[in-house]
Amino acid sequence: DTAVSQTPKYLVTQMGNDKSIKCEQNLGHDTMYWYKQDSKKFLKIMFSYNNKELIINETVPNRFSPKSPDKAHLNLHINSLELGDSAVYFCASSTGSSQPQHFGDGTRLSIL
Amino acid sequence: GENVEQHPSTLSVQEGDSAVIKCTYSDSASNYFPWYKQELGKGPQLIIDIRSNVGEKKDQRIAVTLNKTAKHFSLHITETQPEDSAVYFCAAPSIGTSYGKLTFGQGTILTVHP
Repeated sequence: DTAVSQTPKYLVTQMGNDKSIKCEQNLGHDTMYWYKQDSKKFLKIMFSYNNKELIINETVPNRFSPKSPDKAHLNLHINSLELGDSAVYFCASSTGSSQPQHFGDGTRLSIL
Repeated sequence: GENVEQHPSTLSVQEGDSAVIKCTYSDSASNYFPWYKQELGKGPQLIIDIRSNVGEKKDQRIAVTLNKTAKHFSLHITETQPEDSAVYFCAAPSIGTSYGKLTFGQGTILTVHP
């Protein structure tokens, strides 16, 4: 009964490939997020969806495209992977603004 | 937008000592200040949060204080234990323009030596 689950946990791939990360939450939350954590542990928001609508879109390359098929799922598709995309990607969810965010355990993406 | 500064970046204490981590924020409209603990290989977990209408909140060995005038808030851990060793993050929201956006501090690596 994991609250926020991401798959896969590890993703190792070649530069130039396209990959997807999936996220699901069973908390009944309306808002979901994608964060990127770099090698220095810095956490930065990438996207946020509220009831399947995009509400936050930080300065992220167009190669990153989030998709929310329903409010319990938020997937992240990355095209033409680059070395600099290597990081840990976290999905999170909350009931809304200024509310606790619940994080998944991350997807470690390594680009060869 | 919101800017959050966190200090120190690393903190080493002996078991049983207290640990204090401090954060400052820039958006005076911010009204919610969470603290997260991240263990190795895991996602950040909320350990305590405080809203702008109170100055202090305690939960067993952890406490958070908030000074809205000075725009800073602190995490206090008393009687530290080795299992408190982790990376700790403070955060503050951007109010108005970016719904639900949390800006995180740079993180503090806390090591508790037995």
